[in-house]
Amino acid sequence: LAKTTQPISMDSYEGQEVNITCSHNNIATNDYITWYQQFPSQGPRFIIQGYKTKVTNEVASLFIPADRKSSTLSLPRVSLSDTAVYYCLVGAGMDSSYKLIFGSGTRLLVRP
Amino acid sequence: GAVVSQHPSWVICKSGTSVKIECRSLDFQATTMFWYRQFPKQSLMLMATSNEGSKATYEQGVEKDKFLINHASLTLSTLTVTSAHPEDSSFYICSARGDPNTGELFFGEGSRLTVL
Repeated sequence: LAKTTQPISMDSYEGQEVNITCSHNNIATNDYITWYQQFPSQGPRFIIQGYKTKVTNEVASLFIPADRKSSTLSLPRVSLSDTAVYYCLVGAGMDSSYKLIFGSGTRLLVRP
Repeated sequence: GAVVSQHPSWVICKSGTSVKIECRSLDFQATTMFWYRQFPKQSLMLMATSNEGSKATYEQGVEKDKFLINHASLTLSTLTVTSAHPEDSSFYICSARGDPNTGELFFGEGSRLTVL
């Protein structure tokens, strides 16, 4: 199971773009990279998933370099409500029995 | 989208009693569900993998006799904390994959257990 490393915390201001980078040096060939968001006393919520290059959805973008040993979650124009913990996970996304191990996550604080 | 529901969302019990937490997949079938626990300001820790119709697979250090898992149907897994003690107080979260094509993991709302 690939281990992930993220910054423990980040600060930002409303309206700024936030980029959170995750290192996963031991990622396997069939591993996908998935990011989750968690608010206090709630279950994590799926943000975005990718395998290589760039993926974009309505809330975020995910950049994955060619060697796939890292990935960057980009949140455009953050608001106060984006204050949360963000987790980067790697695993065989298509296998329903494949367990996902959470790392420490990045605690993002968005200030007014 | 797929929804995973937990019940109860919070529970307070006396030390020595047993508490059951239910995890349901509301609009999809889940042969595999996962149980996590989370202490304040810490990450989620995987406790066990719940397999429909068979025994759960526990992570190292998790007592299987303490945390009983039953996955009796394709939409329901239960976690029973037996003879609960104050140190078992935690936030328990279940999850399951809703879409086999994307592998997206859906999480329940979590259940906060407080043992007095």
